Amino acid sequence: EDKVVQSPLSLVVHEGDTVTLNCSYEVTNFRSLLWYKQEKKAPTFLFMLTSSGIEKKSGRLSSILDKKELFSILNITATQTGDSAVYLCAVADGSSNTGKLIFGQGTTLQVKP
Amino acid sequence: EADIYQTPRYLVIGTGKKITLECSQTMGHDKMYWYQQDPGMELHLIHYSYGVNSTEKGDLSSESTVSRIRTEHFPLTLESARPSHTSQYLCASQGEGLGNTIYFGEGSWLTVV
Repeated sequence: EDKVVQSPLSLVVHEGDTVTLNCSYEVTNFRSLLWYKQEKKAPTFLFMLTSSGIEKKSGRLSSILDKKELFSILNITATQTGDSAVYLCAVADGSSNTGKLIFGQGTTLQVKP
Repeated sequence: EADIYQTPRYLVIGTGKKITLECSQTMGHDKMYWYQQDPGMELHLIHYSYGVNSTEKGDLSSESTVSRIRTEHFPLTLESARPSHTSQYLCASQGEGLGNTIYFGEGSWLTVV
């Protein structure tokens, strides 16, 4: 059965800290891996990764994929209270044309002032 | 910014009532999805559509039904709501030009009493 596992499930840090969120997957037909940030409403898109070893960056956030070891990490540097959210990792299933997403359980990040 | 809208955002209804959750997108996407998410839990796919007149059941069994008569519109209906249907329902759509990025609506929070 395809699955996506995130760790840790929750994390509490102070402003200015750097955090690393982990995502491992076992998906038969891997197409891509996506990171989303979910606050009180719907998930918002952060990154899509398809190739190993290529880091994607957006401000203080960065992410990289290792397709050999089947995992991805999401780094957030100089954290701010506005980074508090649930971070979701999802793998797009390439076995059909729909690109259905298989989600992990999420990592809840709390950044304290 | 993706243009996908859900109504109502919040709804409390009595057991046995019929409810339709509306979802519309203005991006001309062929692929649309409904996910269900209980608080603090993972997102689960309950319905998806490849285009007009195409609907499929997702990975999580649901008593809801969907229709896709127009490209931009993908409503979800519960014929007889029960307390077990209390959850957040997220609509999403997916275009072709951006690979497998899926854009979410803001969600509909349904409480059945």
